[in-house]
Amino acid sequence: DIVLTQAPLSVSVTPGESASISCRSSKSLLSSKGITSLYWYLQRPGKSPQLLIYQMSNLASGVPDRFSSSGSETDFTLKISKVETEDVGVYYCGHRLEYPLTFGSGTKLEIK
Amino acid sequence: QVKLLQSGAALVKPGASVKMSCKASGYTFTDYWVSWVKQSHGKSLEWIGEIYPNSGATNFNEKFKGKATLTVDKSTSTAYMELSRLTSEDSAIYYCSAGGPFAYWGQGTLVTVSS
Repeated sequence: DIVLTQAPLSVSVTPGESASISCRSSKSLLSSKGITSLYWYLQRPGKSPQLLIYQMSNLASGVPDRFSSSGSETDFTLKISKVETEDVGVYYCGHRLEYPLTFGSGTKLEIK
Repeated sequence: QVKLLQSGAALVKPGASVKMSCKASGYTFTDYWVSWVKQSHGKSLEWIGEIYPNSGATNFNEKFKGKATLTVDKSTSTAYMELSRLTSEDSAIYYCSAGGPFAYWGQGTLVTVSS
């Protein structure tokens, strides 16, 4: 199974500042079709997860452009610019390269 | 807009089974695979498996083969997951999700296994 390792476990950010979350894959997530199968999700407290980023760097519908993602085949970074209070929650990376689909262990973002 | 409405919380005894539902609306039900995801208390997300409503084809996480059964009712645009031989390890919130990369999520069904 592909293991996704996230860091840090938690991050505390002052509103208006930036935050970065790392996700490292045990295997290249570059598919034979040239798509990088890495996704980012946010689970706000008490809510269902929501898709933020698909195919490594594409913003999902309705997601503010304060969110961005980049990376290589195995190392990825989610960046949140100008953090707002509504960004609080747990961020997960996930892949869809092969079965089983797996997720990282999550990074909790808190506001200072 | 796309909505996935899941059935309510369930309290079940060890050794029993539970069947939960996920009713889809706002899109053509047969267009998207429906996945099921487990989230144990305070833990990460675990993919159980998926079903393609159009054909009934399924893919499973090996860990959940024999534990989870996925079905659909196209006439009501509803997906079902049945979990069998329940133990305390099955106590969790179960989400259904549709639309490729988990684009849409249900609100979750809390399953508590307790005597």
